[in-house]
Amino acid sequence: SYVLAQPPSVSAAPGQTAKITCGGSKIGSKSVHWYQQKPGQAPVLVIYDDSDRPSGIPERFSGSNSGNTATLTISRVEAGDEADYFCQVWDSSADHVVFGGGTKLIVL
Amino acid sequence: VQLVESGGGLAQPGGSLRLSCAASGFTFSDFSMTWVRQAPGKGLEWISYISSSRSRVYYADSVRGRFTISRDNAKKSLYLQMNSLRADDMAVYYCARVSGVARLDCWGQGTLVTVSS
Repeated sequence: SYVLAQPPSVSAAPGQTAKITCGGSKIGSKSVHWYQQKPGQAPVLVIYDDSDRPSGIPERFSGSNSGNTATLTISRVEAGDEADYFCQVWDSSADHVVFGGGTKLIVL
Repeated sequence: VQLVESGGGLAQPGGSLRLSCAASGFTFSDFSMTWVRQAPGKGLEWISYISSSRSRVYYADSVRGRFTISRDNAKKSLYLQMNSLRADDMAVYYCARVSGVARLDCWGQGTLVTVSS
């Protein structure tokens, strides 16, 4: 089965840039989606199809995907960005939705 | 666009529960739907998918044979019948709308399932 690997945590100071990676075999050939989840809340889609932003998501959130790594980049990090972030793809070989293990963004 | 889950609660090991997800604000019959769960302190785990016409249904290995996903497009509702519940099924269960290349663009607030004797 397809596996997505994320670092358990990433930290960044306010105003700095945070990068959260999502590794998978030839992930560059897949559409990657990213979700933000704050404590006690449902996940929210923040990036879809590698780099598109849903309406209402700040431009500070961006994404890229190439080779074996997809990356969520959060520019000018704010305290309110502290949350868990999950990457997700569709595994067409198994007809499964696959999530990464999640990364906790810590705002210093 | 809104999804509201219900039906969670306490079940005994080996017991059953039926979750419901009521949709509003969009044409429910146009969208595939999915269930995702999250055990306490853990990540997201996809468990089941159903296409808009019910022609395609998929399950994670962890629930196949025990859980059944279904939908009623006339009632704008999604369901998850959970049988033979185990302790490791204890989680918050979310329903989510599927768009495009399997992005989950709208989520319910979740319903908690507790499995304990």
